[in-house]
Formats: sequence, structure tokens, C-alpha cells
Amino acid sequence: DIQMTQSPSSMSASLGDRVTITCQASQDIGNNLIWFQQKPGKSPRPMIYYATNLANGVPSRFSGSRSGSDYSLTISSLESEDMADYHCLQYKQYPLTFGSGTKLEIK
Amino acid sequence: EVKLVEYGGGLVQPGASLRLSCEASGFTFSDFYMEWIRQAPGKGLEWIAASRNKANDYSTVYSASVKDRFTISRDTYKSILYLQMNTLKPEDTAIYYCARASDYFDYWGQGVMVTVSS
Repeated sequence: DIQMTQSPSSMSASLGDRVTITCQASQDIGNNLIWFQQKPGKSPRPMIYYATNLANGVPSRFSGSRSGSDYSLTISSLESEDMADYHCLQYKQYPLTFGSGTKLEIK
Repeated sequence: EVKLVEYGGGLVQPGASLRLSCEASGFTFSDFYMEWIRQAPGKGLEWIAASRNKANDYSTVYSASVKDRFTISRDTYKSILYLQMNTLKPEDTAIYYCARASDYFDYWGQGVMVTVSS
């Protein structure tokens, strides 16, 4: 099975900060990675797909990148509405595997 | 408009069975892989089962944690995805989501709570 190691597990940042969350894949997944945002009591919302593509309706301050087996989600300028949990998902092969999640809080 | 609506959750005792349903509308159900994903209270997301599309004979895949206990299936005429859950354990307590596995898992249901407790 492909393991997705997500970091940090939680973080606190100020409005306007640049924030980066990372998932490291234990095997090659190509670019088959999705980033989800999940707010309390809500279903996950896709933000980035195929590692670098912005999903429909997602603000342009969100971006995705890849460096080798490391995949990153970056928020260029943090806004209050970005407070949420973030999850990565590899969909290269079954079993699909998620990262353990990152709780993003606003200072 | 694409919609996924889950129902069938509830409180059951360990060892019991439960069937979840996910009613799909607004798209051609047979064209898409469909997935069940769960989230234990305060925990991360866990993929548990997939039903491939018609082109792939609706073949199924399971996580090790539910294999041999859970069964994913479809009623293609009613556009309903099912998850039959047998021999439930306390660790199966979670919110269960169905999701459409497009390029980016673009649609999810609202989730349904399953609690396994005596």
C-alpha cells in the first residue's frame, strides 16, 4: 500500500501569511494527488487535483506543487475562511490512501 | 445538478449489520467509479470501498479493514450505491461518505453517522 505522510499535523498562522502543507508519498504516484479542505461538520471539498490543478471555484491563492515524492499545498495569503482541516489523497492505485490531515488555525 | 444523498445510518450493537444507501442524481451513474470513505470521530479520512464503472464491469475493491465484512454494490436502475456492513465492530464507528470518483472526487454526500456500541 502507498503511505502518505502529511505534515504538519496542525499549525497556526496569521492572516496574510503564506502557508504550506506537505504530503510525502512512499511510492511513485505520478501526479495522482488531490488536496481537500474540510470544515467542521462538512464534507471534504476538493481544492487541487492532479497535484497542481485548481478545482472549480477555488480561490487563486491556493496552489499545488510537486518536488519528487513531496506534494505541497500552498495558500499564498491566508484568509480567515481558510481555517479548516486539509487532507491529501493519492489515487494512483487502490487502496486509495489519505494523509493523516492538517488542522489549520488562525492566530 | 449533481447530488449524492446518503441514508441508513444509526446506532447498532457490535456484531450487527447495517446497509447504507447513497442516492445519486444529476449525472450518468454508470459512467463513474463510486467510493465509500469514512471518518471516525476526530480522525482523518479513510477510503474503504470502490465500485468501478460499467466499462469496468462494476468490479469492486475493498480496504483490508473492511474486506470480507462489507459489500459495495449498485442498483443501476435507481442510481443508488449501497454499502452492506456486516459483523460491525466499535472501530467502524464513523461518518460514512459516498463520493463520485471523477478526476478529483468532485461530489460527496453529506455523510451519515454509524455508531457501533453496546
